[in-house]
Amino acid sequence: DSGVTQTPKHLITATGQRVTLRCSPRSGDLSVYWYQQSLDQGLQFLIQYYNGEERAKGNILERFSAQQFPDLHSELNLSSLELGDSALYFCASSVGDERAGGGEQYFGPGTRLTVT
Amino acid sequence: LAKTTQPISMDSYEGQEVNITCSHNNIATNDYITWYQQFPSQGPRFIIQGYKTKVTNEVASLFIPADRKSSTLSLPRVSLSDTAVYYCLVGDVDSSASKIIFGSGTRLSIRP
Repeated sequence: DSGVTQTPKHLITATGQRVTLRCSPRSGDLSVYWYQQSLDQGLQFLIQYYNGEERAKGNILERFSAQQFPDLHSELNLSSLELGDSALYFCASSVGDERAGGGEQYFGPGTRLTVT
Repeated sequence: LAKTTQPISMDSYEGQEVNITCSHNNIATNDYITWYQQFPSQGPRFIIQGYKTKVTNEVASLFIPADRKSSTLSLPRVSLSDTAVYYCLVGDVDSSASKIIFGSGTRLSIRP
């Protein structure tokens, strides 16, 4: 158990819909990272927040948005969903601002999103 | 940003030592090397990180030659539970996290 929690574990929705994925980082961690993992794309970095502020942006679609709240939990909002958005979405956290060094991030169990 | 190359897959047997090599020919001076392990349908788990020479922790060793153009993750006495995908990452700790690239990883299969 990494100490990072994600809800829900599974989500099935229809094309065109909007969903919100939630992540609670480990106690004391200030950074939250969101990743998408699909069968054909591997693990893709989406976005990072550090202590409430956006710190880095990866290949995140404009239909996706995220935020980190004062209590440090984070939400990833996916809208106008398409079939291709079906994937595992992971949240990770770290104590500091772990940048491209990829240094010790703790990953949650993921949310499996299925768009039908 | 340094690109990494790893074998797509490897097989071994329980009790053996497994070495997975990652090639990163254009590694930069400030880049660190990090390895993660991922089981099916689970998030990756940090294994080890290093800059040069050798780093060892309770689960693995990381060997980095002087030119740093490659690195080798060594797993001693593997068991069936070590069957997983292993990712090698190379990046500058002062660069944006947007530079984090997990790549395709190495699928390690351990047999009885």
